[in-house]
Parts: sequence; C-alpha cells; structure tokens
Amino acid sequence: AQRVTQPEKLLSVFKGAPVELKCNYSYSGSPELFWYVQYSRQRLQLLLRHISRESIKGFTADLNKGETSFHLKKPFAQEEDSAMYYCALSGRNQGGKLIFGQGTELSVKP
Amino acid sequence: GAVVSQHPSRVICKSGTSVKIECRSLDFQATTMFWYRQFPKQSLMLMATSNEGSKATYEQGVEKDKFLINHASLTLSTLTVTSAHPEDSSFYICSVQGRTEAFFGQGTRLTVV
Repeated sequence: AQRVTQPEKLLSVFKGAPVELKCNYSYSGSPELFWYVQYSRQRLQLLLRHISRESIKGFTADLNKGETSFHLKKPFAQEEDSAMYYCALSGRNQGGKLIFGQGTELSVKP
Repeated sequence: GAVVSQHPSRVICKSGTSVKIECRSLDFQATTMFWYRQFPKQSLMLMATSNEGSKATYEQGVEKDKFLINHASLTLSTLTVTSAHPEDSSFYICSVQGRTEAFFGQGTRLTVV
C-alpha cells in the first residue's frame, strides 16, 4: 500500500534548537518525496524535493531508501519556521498525484 | 511557477443544495488538475484527477455523482458538490502540476448547514 506516515502531530522546540520532523513512507517502486509547508493563513507550498538535494531556508532532507524515510532537519530553528509541514510522495509516471502524510505542526518558541 | 486561484474561498450553503468551486490556473496551461479534501487537523486526501477535455479520474471511495468535476479548458476546473450534506463540510483544495512541482490554490472552506 502507498502510505506516508508522520508520527508527530505537534513538535515544539525553542528558537535555536535543532529540529527533525520525521517522515516514513511505504511505496512499491521508486517514489519522489517532497516536503510541503503551510504557514499560517497561507496556501501550501513546496519546501523541498528529494531529487534536487538542496537546502531551503536551512532545511535539508535525505531520502533513506533502506529505512524508507525522508526526515526533515534544520540545525537551528527560527520562530518564522513555525508552520504545518507535510511530507508527500508521488509515484513516477503518476502525473503529479500526491499522497500526503498527516502533517506535523512545528511550533518554535522564543 | 504556476499561480492557482480558487473561488470562492468560503461558502456556506443549505443542506440539499449544490455548490460549485472553481480552480483557475492563471499563468499555466494545465491539462491536469487535482482536487483534494482536508478535514480539520488532518491530511490532504486526493479526491480526483481532473483531465482537460475528458472525464475525471476518481480515487477509491469518492462518489463521482456527488462530486462532479468539469475541466473544460486548460485554465479552469470546477468541482460541484451536489446535494450537499453537513458531512460534506470540509476544506477543498485544488492543485496544478507544474514542470517540477505542484502548485496549490488557497482552498475553499465549505460549510453545509
């Protein structure tokens, strides 16, 4: 079955602390993995995709095929990082259909 | 990237009536759009794939006669919730697949009273 699991509904950290938002997936094949972010009162937008292997706003995510994970990390959280984060999966040749995880609300306290 | 606009952003309707939600791709010709549904504090669930000029493809468990999708042009897809009931109250979001990523509308909050 195709599934994306984000085990934490809420993650609360202090400013400057490291952050790791967990994401595990189940997919028979070679998926594309994404992290989407939704800031308060804004629409969902792409943060990272595993193919590009880049760091955006200090966030990185590495695809671990052995552990079927795509955890999102940032060494020093900022207050403006507070948002809902969704891990998502798309199968190749599926035309962009996304399967989302349940989402993790990140709260960064001053 | 694509700019996606949904209208209306909020709608309240009476039980038994139908509601149409529009999704427009303002600067990108979209042969495919997607419709998602999001319950409070839950994930986005794909409802259907809207295909320009042909029938939509519905996900398992989604009633195609209840959620009518029309994609008559490369810039517009509509979702009509027919004979709405309170359990249809939800947040509906559309997306357009760009070259490398999906672009989302701002969503439509539907409340059926």
